[in-house]
Amino acid sequence: QVQLVESGGGVVQPGRSLRLSCAASGFTFSSYAMHWVRQAPGKGLEWVAVMSREGNNKYYVDSVKGRFTISRDNSNYTLYLQMNSLRAEDTAVYYCVRAGIAQGFYNWFDPWGQGTLVTVS
Amino acid sequence: DIQMTQSPSSLSASVGDRVTITCRASQSISTYLNWYQQKPGKTPKLLIYTASSLHTGVPSRFSGSGSGTDFTLTISSLQPEDFATYYCQQSYSTPFTFGPGTKVDIK
Repeated sequence: QVQLVESGGGVVQPGRSLRLSCAASGFTFSSYAMHWVRQAPGKGLEWVAVMSREGNNKYYVDSVKGRFTISRDNSNYTLYLQMNSLRAEDTAVYYCVRAGIAQGFYNWFDPWGQGTLVTVS
Repeated sequence: DIQMTQSPSSLSASVGDRVTITCRASQSISTYLNWYQQKPGKTPKLLIYTASSLHTGVPSRFSGSGSGTDFTLTISSLQPEDFATYYCQQSYSTPFTFGPGTKVDIK
């Protein structure tokens, strides 16, 4: 079945960097756009970034532009999120999420990984 | 950016109740509206996509409607496993935005 497994979270000091990974399986990774969505403790969901299936289109929420970079390795079925200049407000569970269908990314989010916690302190 | 609002922010209901949650977009998003359910400590799950399409495996007591700026999620007969937080989300344009959530708990 489709599976997304995030890793790389942890505790990091403000201003430092962290790279998250998401290992995908159970589907043709290169056919789907991929997203990162985050959730601060006790708060709602916030979309962070998307990358098209070929990797030629990327979009970010304003609060992470210039600091975060989404990338992917289609041959290794892996999605990444490089997070630089981390701030306390970046503290959240980060979810790796697949686009709902293999056509662009203006569609729904499904499925979701289990998430990885990033704490900036 | 498109702002999403939800009402109510929370509600208390009993098993068997009909529950309706409203979601409003700050501009027209056609039917690019999706609903998710999240239980405490768990990953969000897709319920409804493109405003009214039921995701595979989701019970038929869940339904969605609306287009343009106003949308609803209805649970026809609330079950114990439905107590959760529900989020709407627009996929019309980036940044993709979520509503603040509606928490449904036991009355």
